[in-house]
Amino acid sequence: KQEVTQIPAALSVPEGENLVLNCSFTDSAIYNLQWFRQDPGKGLTSLLLIQSSQREQTSGRLNASLDKSSGRSTLYIAASQPGDSATYLCAVRNAGNMLTFGGGTRLMVKP
Amino acid sequence: DTAVSQTPKYLVTQMGNDKSIKCEQNLGHDTMYWYKQDSKKFLKIMFSYNNKELIINETVPNRFSPKSPDKAHLNLHINSLELGDSAVYFCASSHFGTSGETQYFGPGTRLLVL
Repeated sequence: KQEVTQIPAALSVPEGENLVLNCSFTDSAIYNLQWFRQDPGKGLTSLLLIQSSQREQTSGRLNASLDKSSGRSTLYIAASQPGDSATYLCAVRNAGNMLTFGGGTRLMVKP
Repeated sequence: DTAVSQTPKYLVTQMGNDKSIKCEQNLGHDTMYWYKQDSKKFLKIMFSYNNKELIINETVPNRFSPKSPDKAHLNLHINSLELGDSAVYFCASSHFGTSGETQYFGPGTRLLVL
């Protein structure tokens, strides 16, 4: 059974800092890995999707890496802004097209 | 222009009642999902459904039944509601395939069982 863990559970940083969020998963037989953002009281917004054959994906100030063999992914956020404050969720897709989510990292970027 | 929409946004009801949550997507996707996010914010898959196949997460009680009148809709019916059913329920959709595509999520339905 796939298990996904995210560390840290919460993170508070001053504006402008670069930061790294971590995600680990137990079953390396994944199709892809996604990072989502969830704002309070809102749904999920997909940030980046990395296919199992890829090592990283970039979108603006975000960079996600994937090391499938070790069961790890990181989300790097450059030059953080208060608008980045949200919960970041990592999810992996195994067979069956369903996603298994981590518990999320609650990020607070202080002005 | 909402891609995945859910109704109602909020649902407050008594234990023992039967309720339904509706989901619609206008993205032309062939696969839809229901997820449950509990009070600790853990998000867990409940069902995956496309035209031909319903995949049920084995931990979901059979009081929960998804119903899909067509490819663009996947409704969730819950019988005999219990206190532990209180959560946020998210609908999502995607194309089905091994390549793996982004799942698009609805805004969620906040269910409170009293």
